[in-house]
Amino acid sequence: GAGVSQSPSNKVTEKGKDVELRCDPISGHTALYWYRQSLGQGLEFLIYFQGNSAPDKSGLPSDRFSAERTGGSVSTLTIQRTQQEDSAVYLCASSPGRGPGWPQHFGDGTRLSIL
Amino acid sequence: DAKTTQPNSMESNEEEPVHLPCNHSTISGTDYIHWYRQLPSQGPEYVIHGLTSNVNNRMASLAIAEDRKSSTLILHRATLRDAAVYYCILRENSGYSTLTFGKGTMLLVSP
Repeated sequence: GAGVSQSPSNKVTEKGKDVELRCDPISGHTALYWYRQSLGQGLEFLIYFQGNSAPDKSGLPSDRFSAERTGGSVSTLTIQRTQQEDSAVYLCASSPGRGPGWPQHFGDGTRLSIL
Repeated sequence: DAKTTQPNSMESNEEEPVHLPCNHSTISGTDYIHWYRQLPSQGPEYVIHGLTSNVNNRMASLAIAEDRKSSTLILHRATLRDAAVYYCILRENSGYSTLTFGKGTMLLVSP
């Protein structure tokens, strides 16, 4: 079946511009996570959505970052006034449930480069 | 997440079995053991997970020690496509659970 889809796969933009990253989770998955991964680094949690509940935004690094999930499905991560330190691979994962007994399925990410 | 220890790298030949070890001596009774892998320029891929009993799926087998302080991911016949970094992760049973990757084991597969 279809996996997690992310778009665009690559994005190059100038410092100060806004960017919007999209995630289409696996159909029926109620949990959705955004992470970012810098070169040679581990995963950094950004935000978590579960069903219609308020998202957990505790991982967002600054108020320039925001995310929404419409209709419990597609999610968009928006970065305003991008900075060079925002350059990373942004990964989306979805899961059938919220607990540690459920696997997370990842997309291939959006590679964001800020010039 | 509780700490895990894995070898930095391992090598295997194609079509041979591979046993990837993971030590997690501080595991708590409700921590799940998860394995993910990541190929270059791709997102992480879920491999397998378990709590106490050994687990099998189409990708691999997970053997969990009786005291749960270690586990082994078993790839029954390695292929070139299995060359990746493999991450062993403990996930706490508290609310939702994000993933934290350590350095993992880089598996090299030779033809």
